[in-house]
Amino acid sequence: SQKIEQNSEALNIQEGKTATLTCNYTNYSPAYLQWYRQDPGRGPVFLLLIRENEKEKRKERLKVTFDTTLKQSLFHITASQPADSATYLCALDMRYGGSQGNLIFGKGTKLSVKP
Amino acid sequence: ETGVTQSPTHLIKTRGQQVTLRCSSQSGHNTVSWYQQALGQGPQFIFQYYREEENGRGNFPPRFSGLQFPNYSSELNVNALELDDSALYLCASSPRRTGGDTQYFGPGTRLTVL
Repeated sequence: SQKIEQNSEALNIQEGKTATLTCNYTNYSPAYLQWYRQDPGRGPVFLLLIRENEKEKRKERLKVTFDTTLKQSLFHITASQPADSATYLCALDMRYGGSQGNLIFGKGTKLSVKP
Repeated sequence: ETGVTQSPTHLIKTRGQQVTLRCSSQSGHNTVSWYQQALGQGPQFIFQYYREEENGRGNFPPRFSGLQFPNYSSELNVNALELDDSALYLCASSPRRTGGDTQYFGPGTRLTVL
């Protein structure tokens, strides 16, 4: 069965630096890969989606890469701020067409940005 | 804030009891998925409803069941509660059941089983 790993449980960085979070998976590549942000006691909030034929996607200070050869996605936050402190979840989107797929989530990486 | 709402916010039950959790999807969304998130873990897919029919199920026993109503709101029912059912239950809606679109999550219901 498909497995997903987010390499770091926790990542501590200084304000202004770039945070890089890693997501690795086994088996076959999904058609899409998504990243979510989750604050304590709240539901996940969608950040970015990248397709298997896209190498990179950007949104403001966020950048996602997707390497289907390495079976890996990297998530970058540039010029990080204390407000970026949260848990970041990687999810494989296993929904193909009308099939009965779903999102498979990693455990998340807890990012702390120190002033 | 997404337009997805869940009730109740918190719930405490004892082993063996039954519970019903409710979710109102975002306007215009016909697909609702339910996830269980244990402490320190990522959300785990329970099942999905599309236009009132179950459209996929994760590795959860039959005592987890659901419903979707004509207005696309949904319920998650759990019978014979076990201690391991203690978790945050998340509902997510999307405008279609196919891949490649955003899932909009509600704030969750925190269930504690004693």
